[in-house]
Amino acid sequence: ETGVTQSPTHLIKTRGQQVTLRCSSQSGHNTVSWYQQALGQGPQFIFQYYREEENGRGNFPPRFSGLQFPNYSSELNVNALELDDSALYLCASSLSQGEETQYFGPGTRLLVL
Amino acid sequence: DAKTTQPNSMESNEEEPVHLPCNHSTISGTDYIHWYRQLPSQGPEYVIHGLTSNVNNRMASLAIAEDRKSSTLILHRATLRDAAVYYCILGRDTGRRALTFGSGTRLQVQP
Repeated sequence: ETGVTQSPTHLIKTRGQQVTLRCSSQSGHNTVSWYQQALGQGPQFIFQYYREEENGRGNFPPRFSGLQFPNYSSELNVNALELDDSALYLCASSLSQGEETQYFGPGTRLLVL
Repeated sequence: DAKTTQPNSMESNEEEPVHLPCNHSTISGTDYIHWYRQLPSQGPEYVIHGLTSNVNNRMASLAIAEDRKSSTLILHRATLRDAAVYYCILGRDTGRRALTFGSGTRLQVQP
């Protein structure tokens, strides 16, 4: 059974650019959540996708957007990057949209200069 | 969302038991108590969860106070690999099904 994978592992961008991060969910999981983890802090919920529809959103601006595909893989897009967007971006998949255990990927480390 | 309070850091010796406390005095009757941990340079991983009764699995035990206002994660024999940040999270049905992480407890294990 393949776990959650994310790509790329590291990324460097400059302020104002756009970035796309990718996540492949664990086999059989139809729900994907994205989290942002700043250095030294706990992960913060960005949004969740269930069967290709956004199913809840945290306190993040609209320049953070996402997609989920029919195979349940997902993308996180961030437009107009700001220096504070530098963080570890984590993807987690779960079996359903309920209070199920979430399985996290290793994350993508984004640095905005 | 109900909040949890954990110590910032704890230390343990290898092969000794570790008790990681969590206070959640505003927990509601339907909140599950989840524990995740995050090893260095990795994403969080599920450890254990429970509602009212104590729970055991291959990784740890979860002891829940009778009034549910606190809980304790028990690692029976700490190993160096258990050095991580441990997060205590309440699973409230907000409609978002998101995990609300706090700052967690950084556990150091000494050889």
